[in-house]
Amino acid sequence: EVQLVESGGGLVQPGGSLRLSCAASGFTFSSFAMGWVRQAPGKGLEWVSGISGGGGSTFHADSVKGRFTISRDNSKNTLYLQMNSLRAEDTAVYHCAKVSQEWLLGYFDYWGQGTLVTASS
Amino acid sequence: DIVLTQSPGTLSLSPGERATLSCRASLSISSSYLAWYQQKPGQAPGLLIYGASSRATGIPERFSGSGSGTDFTLTISRLEPEDFAVYYCQQYDNSPFTFGPGTKVDIK
Repeated sequence: EVQLVESGGGLVQPGGSLRLSCAASGFTFSSFAMGWVRQAPGKGLEWVSGISGGGGSTFHADSVKGRFTISRDNSKNTLYLQMNSLRAEDTAVYHCAKVSQEWLLGYFDYWGQGTLVTASS
Repeated sequence: DIVLTQSPGTLSLSPGERATLSCRASLSISSSYLAWYQQKPGQAPGLLIYGASSRATGIPERFSGSGSGTDFTLTISRLEPEDFAVYYCQQYDNSPFTFGPGTKVDIK
């Protein structure tokens, strides 16, 4: 059974940093691309970042480019999102999601429940 | 960036009725790299349709997807009580892999 469990969310002051983790199990982690999708309170889904199975290709939305970095440790079956220079508008539930194939041109077939990030003073 | 527009914003229907949801892209999506997801309150989204028209594993036959290029449709043939939710389309053809704003299907 595929499981994705996020952690690392919390309350942080604007300008601060946070690192999210996503522990994956139930599939061969290195064979699939992964992504982060966020949802602000009461709003829709926003694609944030994606990374290929081997980690060599990464993409970020313009709204987070230069501030957020996606990475993965295939030896630990774990996905990360390093978030720097956080803004109030980054407040959201952050979901990690498994892509249907090794490369990023795939749909999200499994999702984690998400971890809440609140950027507020 | 490919912008996805969904209509209507809200669809108010009764159980047993047919629901037709639209997703329009600002640029043509090649190879029908278009997915649909369902999200219920307090839950993570779940995959319904991929490749514009292929049902994900375990998805009932009452859900169907169609379309190509810039115009896509999700149809629920007969609404069941558990189908009242928010539905999102997503393109995975070009980064950023954008989502539409969603269509809420609620009980009339």
